[in-house]
Formats: sequence, C-alpha cells, structure tokens
Amino acid sequence: QQNVQQSPESLIVPEGARTSLNCTFSDSASQYFWWYRQHSGKAPKALMSIFSNGEKEEGRFTIHLNKASLHFSLHIRDSQPSDSALYLCAVTTNTGKLTFGDGTVLTVKP
Amino acid sequence: DPKIIQKPKYLVAVTGSEKILICEQYLGHNAMYWYRQSAKKPLEFMFSYSYQKLMDNQTASSRFQPQSSKKNHLDLQITALKPDDSATYFCASSQDWQDTQYFGPGTRLLVL
Repeated sequence: QQNVQQSPESLIVPEGARTSLNCTFSDSASQYFWWYRQHSGKAPKALMSIFSNGEKEEGRFTIHLNKASLHFSLHIRDSQPSDSALYLCAVTTNTGKLTFGDGTVLTVKP
Repeated sequence: DPKIIQKPKYLVAVTGSEKILICEQYLGHNAMYWYRQSAKKPLEFMFSYSYQKLMDNQTASSRFQPQSSKKNHLDLQITALKPDDSATYFCASSQDWQDTQYFGPGTRLLVL
C-alpha cells in the first residue's frame, strides 16, 4: 500500500522568497510523480510531473526526484501571493491511480 | 467553456437515500477517475476507468458504483448514504493513465 507523506504541513514565506516543499513515498516501483496545487474552494490543478531521476524546471517551478531516496520536492522561485494555496504531491501507479499526500498549505505574505 | 462538467454543484441528502453524481468530459480523454476529499481525509482515489473499463477500485464499500454509459461519461451512484459520505467528489480525466489528470469543479455532498 503506497504511503505518501508531505512536509512541512504549512509554510509562511515573504513575497519573493524561495520555497521548498517535500514529499516521500513508500513504493519503489512508483512510476510518475506529480505536484498539484489547489486554491481554496477550487479543484486541484497539475503543476508539474517527472518520471526519471533528476530535475525539471518550468518557469518559477522546479521539481527534483530521487527514486533511491524515495523522495521528490518542489521548489518555487520568487514566490508570489497568488502562489498561496494547498500543494499536493502525488504518485501514479499503472492503473492511473494518484495517491496524494496530505498537502502543504503555503501562504505568501506581500 | 468548462471541459469537465460535474452536476450538481451542491447536493444535500438524507441518511439512507441514494444519489447519482454526474460527470462529463469534453477533452477527448480515454481515462476517467473519481476522487473524494473531506476535512477528515486528504484527496482520496476511488475509481479509474480506461476506455469504459474499470481499471482500479479502491473503495471498500459496494455502496459506491461507477456507471459509464459513454466514453466521456463516468457517473457515480451512491446508495444507503451515511453522514460520513459527506465530502467533495471530484471527477478527473486524462488522455491515458500516465498523462496529466484534469479535475472537474467537484460536487459538494452533505448527508444529514
């Protein structure tokens, strides 16, 4: 049974700061790794994904994956108040099942 | 125009009743899913369908039954409703199982 854990539970950062969110998973056979963002009262929306070890950058967002450590992370450069949301990491199996972590609540203070 | 439609947006039901949650996607995707999110539990996978075939079922109860009448429809029938079923139910779809899943706006269910 896949177990996905996120840290920290919540985070408050000033505008312009660099933010790091962490996710660990338990199943070494996991194939795809995702970060979703959910604003209050809205649906989750995919930010980025990665499937091989290393790093991937898209704009202000960077995702790191280390399968051997069962760990991946999301880094946000130049955080904006509009980035304030619940960030959810997730891992995919070959049935399409996304197993989500409990989330990190990010607040970016102007 | 919304590409994933969920109906209704809000639903209030009495304990023991039965409800159907509707989901239609107009993204041309081959896979569809149901997830549930409540204050007590994180976003939780329920079902996945690919080409109208059940791929995975993680619900412990047979009270939850997905219904796929068309490739772009995946409804969720819930019988014998309980207060613990109160949650927001999200439908999602993706081109294939490994692709990005797009979530609908959700149906917020309250069981009294």
